[in-house]
This record gives sequence, C-alpha cells and structure tokens, in this order.
Amino acid sequence: GAVVSQHPSRVICKSGTSVKIECRSLDFQATTMFWYRQFPKKSLMLMATSNEGSKATYEQGVEKDKFLINHASLTLSTLTVTSAHPEDSSFYICSANRGGPDIYTDTQYFGPGTRLTVL
Amino acid sequence: GNSVTQMEGPVTLSEEAFLTINCTYTATGYPSLFWYVQYPGEGLQLLLKATKADDKGSNKGFEATYRKETTSFHLEKGSVQVSDSAVYFCALSDTGNQFYFGTGTSLTVIP
Repeated sequence: GAVVSQHPSRVICKSGTSVKIECRSLDFQATTMFWYRQFPKKSLMLMATSNEGSKATYEQGVEKDKFLINHASLTLSTLTVTSAHPEDSSFYICSANRGGPDIYTDTQYFGPGTRLTVL
Repeated sequence: GNSVTQMEGPVTLSEEAFLTINCTYTATGYPSLFWYVQYPGEGLQLLLKATKADDKGSNKGFEATYRKETTSFHLEKGSVQVSDSAVYFCALSDTGNQFYFGTGTSLTVIP
C-alpha cells in the first residue's frame, strides 16, 4: 500500500537552531501534502498545506516565517522550524493525498511523525 | 464550520469487552467520515471510513455508521483485544484533502 515516510523520527536540538523535517510519498506522487502538529493529549492541528511548485498555504495563527515549507517535488515536502524554542517541541505529522477519481476513492496517508524536542 | 467532537478518555476495558467511542460532527456540507488509529510510537493509520449517510465502515472487527440525522459516527467493536490498545481519532473531510480531527480517545485493553 501507499506509504508516507518522515525523517527524522526524533530530533533534539538546542534553542535557537533550525531543524528540517522531510516528508516523502514513497510510491505515489502527491501534489499536495499537509503538515500537522500534535500536542500532548490533544488532536492534530493543521499547520499548513504544502503545494508542489508554489507557496504553502498556512492556517491562521501559524507563523510562516517560523515554519518554512518547501514542496520541491511531487514526492517531497520539507518543514523547517527556524530558530526553534522549547515551546516548538511537539509531534509533527505530515500527510499526502493519493488522489482517486473523486473524493470517495482518494485516500489520505499519514507519515509516522517526527518528535521534536527543543532544549 | 467543520468540527469533530469525540468522547474524552482514557478508556480502560478488559479483554473481550464491548467498545463504544462516541463521535459527533458539525459540517457545512456532506463530508466523508473517518476513524484513524495511532498505535504507540507509530503514525496515524486509517481504520475505516464512510462517505455518505447510512454507510457503514468496517475493518478489523470495528464498525461505525454514518448517521446524518444525529450527526454521529460512533466507533464500536464487540470484543476488544489487548492489541487494540491505541489512540483513536474521529475525523471528517469535505474535500478529500483537509481533515478535521477530534481530540483522540486513548484505549487501554487489559488482559
């Protein structure tokens, strides 16, 4: 079946540094990928929609200069957390839509997530 | 707007007990409804889905019926196993792309 991978699975960094997280669709092309953030004991919060070949669309309240998204190819989107702070520590999950002929057949596949810890 | 409300956990059950996790939704259109499961240390996996009213999604012994009249999509399983211990998320999507998730319900099944 379709697989979406994320790298790294865990990262620990110092406050003030930048961290890049990769999201890849392994056996299908995805013109659109999504980045979510999951807080402890809370649901996934959509951060942004990553569009191949164009700028990402950010949800209200998400700082686009802090969370840089680049969708360089049909199988790769990257999220860079710039100047990370402890409050950025979270579980980041990406997803990609394997498009079908209509919304009744297409399926969203989620990556395994990346645990970011900022010291 | 779109939103999903699901029962808060954690839920602890004995093996072979009956499981119900309630989920209700608010949507402006006619969304598809989903249950995702997240096992410890893993990402989200689609458990089941229903795309229109009265549809029943089922997988691995789990079932959920799309009830338009009550705007609900409750998850049920007749006999849970220890391996079902996970966090369960109810979600909706009206475009097939953007998803709206509930807060998740943690289930622990004890032998």
